[in-house]
Amino acid sequence: EAQVTQNPRYLITVTGKKLTVTCSQNMNHEYMSWYRQDPGLGLRQIYYSMNVEVTDKGDVPEGYKVSRKEKRNFPLILESPSPNQTSLYFCASSGRSGWEKLFFGSGTQLSVL
Amino acid sequence: GDSVTQMEGPVTLSEEAFLTINCTYTATGYPSLFWYVQYPGEGLQLLLKATKADDKGSNKGFEATYRKETTSFHLEKGSVQVSDSAVYFCALGGSQGNLIFGKGTKLSVKP
Repeated sequence: EAQVTQNPRYLITVTGKKLTVTCSQNMNHEYMSWYRQDPGLGLRQIYYSMNVEVTDKGDVPEGYKVSRKEKRNFPLILESPSPNQTSLYFCASSGRSGWEKLFFGSGTQLSVL
Repeated sequence: GDSVTQMEGPVTLSEEAFLTINCTYTATGYPSLFWYVQYPGEGLQLLLKATKADDKGSNKGFEATYRKETTSFHLEKGSVQVSDSAVYFCALGGSQGNLIFGKGTKLSVKP
C-alpha cells in the first residue's frame, strides 16, 4: 500500500531536549516536504526536498533541520525545541514536485513544555 | 510572492445545501491550482486540481474552475452531506516547485 509514515503520532517533550520526527515513503517519490499546522494560520511549509541531498527552506524554517540522505526518508530535527514549536506536523511526498498530487502522513502532534 | 487567500470559516450548512468556498490567488505566470481536504484526525488528501485557465477540476461532486481573469478557484458542491464535514485548503503550485496553501476553511454540515 502506498503510504507516508510518520513517527511518533504524539510527542510530549521539554524545552531544549533534541528530538527527531521520522518520515518515510514507499512510493519512490523525489519530492518530500514538512509542514506545520496551527489554528488560524493554516498549513505552513518548513522545509522541502526535490531529491536526495537537495533541501530548501520553506516559509518557517527557523529552529528546524532536515536531511535527505536516502530517497525514502526525510526526518525533521528540532535541535533545541521551544514552546512555540508546539504544533501539528505533517510530512508529505509526491512524484517530482509539489505541483503533483501530494501524499500526506497522518501527522505528529508535538507539545513542548 | 505567490499567495493564496480563501474565505474564513467556519462554514455551517444543513445537509443538501449548496456550498461555495471562495479562493483567490496571486502568482506570476499560470500555476496549477488545487483543493485539498482534511477529514478529522487525518492528513490532507487531494480533492481536485486544474492545470490551466478555464480548466474545471471535479471529484466526489465537488467542482472548481480555474478563472484567470479573476484569479480565482472557488470550490462548489450542489448538495453537501454530513460526511463532507472537513477542513478544505486551496493551494497553488509555487514558482520553486513547492505547494503554497491557504489557511483552510472548516465546513460543518448538520443533518
